[in-house]
Amino acid sequence: EADIYQTPRYLVIGTGKKITLECSQTMGHDKMYWYQQDPGMELHLIHYSYGVNSTEKGDLSSESTVSRIRTEHFPLTLESARPSHTSQYLCASSESVRQGAYEQYFGPGTRLTVT
Amino acid sequence: KNQVEQSPQSLIILEGKNCTLQCNYTVSPFSNLRWYKQDTGRGPVSLTIMTFSENTKSNGRYTATLDADTKQSSLHITASQLSDSASYICVVSDRGSTLGRLYFGRGTQLTVWP
Repeated sequence: EADIYQTPRYLVIGTGKKITLECSQTMGHDKMYWYQQDPGMELHLIHYSYGVNSTEKGDLSSESTVSRIRTEHFPLTLESARPSHTSQYLCASSESVRQGAYEQYFGPGTRLTVT
Repeated sequence: KNQVEQSPQSLIILEGKNCTLQCNYTVSPFSNLRWYKQDTGRGPVSLTIMTFSENTKSNGRYTATLDADTKQSSLHITASQLSDSASYICVVSDRGSTLGRLYFGRGTQLTVWP
């Protein structure tokens, strides 16, 4: 089992609130990712990081922001939550074994509901 | 456009039976193909990773095949168990970037009945 953790697992909040979803990994991986997944749909990459002080936006436009101050920590923040942000958010990490063929480990996810 | 299509969308089988899930992709240039198992409310867990030169790989009761010429893959589950009930996701990686971008299918929802 992968050592990647997400908190909280479930979150119900009101519109306009600021939230931070936590993600941490103890494997020393340089690369970390945030995905968004709606029921029955594919995962969409919203943010990724190559290492400390590196953050990039993914394929799916997101109003969230991320930071990477420490290797093991990759939090995601929503400054003002809206009902359209209701989704499952999955964090992942990986190390490069050889080009492309890296194992990507996923956390258990945070189920966010904005009312 | 890089895409990954899976079929069937959902499948119900009886415990002990075998089943095969399909994946077709158009991702290019191809790097590798993975199958993940995702339990409800959990993150995906890797079952197999296959590169261009590999056409079959097994992980216990799971056997994945890859035909890079036709851009098709299958996941065969033998002697299914109740714990196999999950979504099975096909993921293809390209080698056109240092990130090795992953393209996800929508998954096949497998239900195993006793």
